[in-house]
Amino acid sequence: DAMVIQNPRYQVTQFGKPVTLSCSQTLNHNVMYWYQQKSSQAPKLLFHYYDKDFNNEADTPDNFQSRRPNTSFCFLDIRSPGLGDAAMYLCATSRDLTGGTEQYFGPGTRLTVT
Amino acid sequence: GNSVTQMEGPVTLSEEAFLTINCTYTATGYPSLFWYVQYPGEGLQLLLKATKADDKGSNKGFEATYRKETTSFHLEKGSVQVSDSAVYFCALSAAGGYNKLIFGAGTRLAVHP
Repeated sequence: DAMVIQNPRYQVTQFGKPVTLSCSQTLNHNVMYWYQQKSSQAPKLLFHYYDKDFNNEADTPDNFQSRRPNTSFCFLDIRSPGLGDAAMYLCATSRDLTGGTEQYFGPGTRLTVT
Repeated sequence: GNSVTQMEGPVTLSEEAFLTINCTYTATGYPSLFWYVQYPGEGLQLLLKATKADDKGSNKGFEATYRKETTSFHLEKGSVQVSDSAVYFCALSAAGGYNKLIFGAGTRLAVHP
C-alpha cells in the first residue's frame, strides 16, 4: 500500500543535542509538509517542499531546518532542541499545492527532550 | 487572517447517540474544508472534505455540509460507536494558497458502551 512512513515513532534527545526526524513516502507526491503538534493542540505547519522548492512559514524558528534529498524522503532537523520543542511531529504529502488537495499524514514521531 | 473555531470538548456520548461537533471558519474567498480524525498515538486521517459551498462530504456514517452563509462545517453522525472515540479536527485550506491546512483546536470524543 502507498503510504507515508515516519521514523522513528518515538525519539528522545537531550536539551541542545541535534536531532533528525525522517519521513518517506511511496505516493510519489510532489509536496511534503512538516507539522508540529504540541500536547492537546492543533497541528501547526512548519514548512513544506514542492519538489525541491522550500517554503518556510514566517513564524517557524530558525532552530528548525529541513532537507529533501529526493522525491521520496524529507528530513526535519532540530539544531538545538529546547524543552519547548517536545511535541508530535507529523509529516504529510499531497499531489500538488492546489487548495483542497488531500494531504496524507504519517503516524508521527513523538519527540521528548530531556 | 484565516482561522477555524471548533466546539470545545471533551464530548462524551453513549453508544448509538447522535453526534454533532460544531465548526465555524473565517477565511477570504472560498476555502476547502476538511474533517480529520486522530486516534490515540496515531497521525491524522482524512475523514471527509468539501471544496465548494453546499457540498456535503460523507464517510463512514459521518457527514458535514459546507455552509457559506453561516461559514460553518458541522460534523454529524446519526449513531456513534465506541470505535469512533478519537480527536476530531476541523480544518481549512485557503483558496489561492499553497494547500496549507489551518486546524481548529480539536474536539475529543469519548463514546461509552
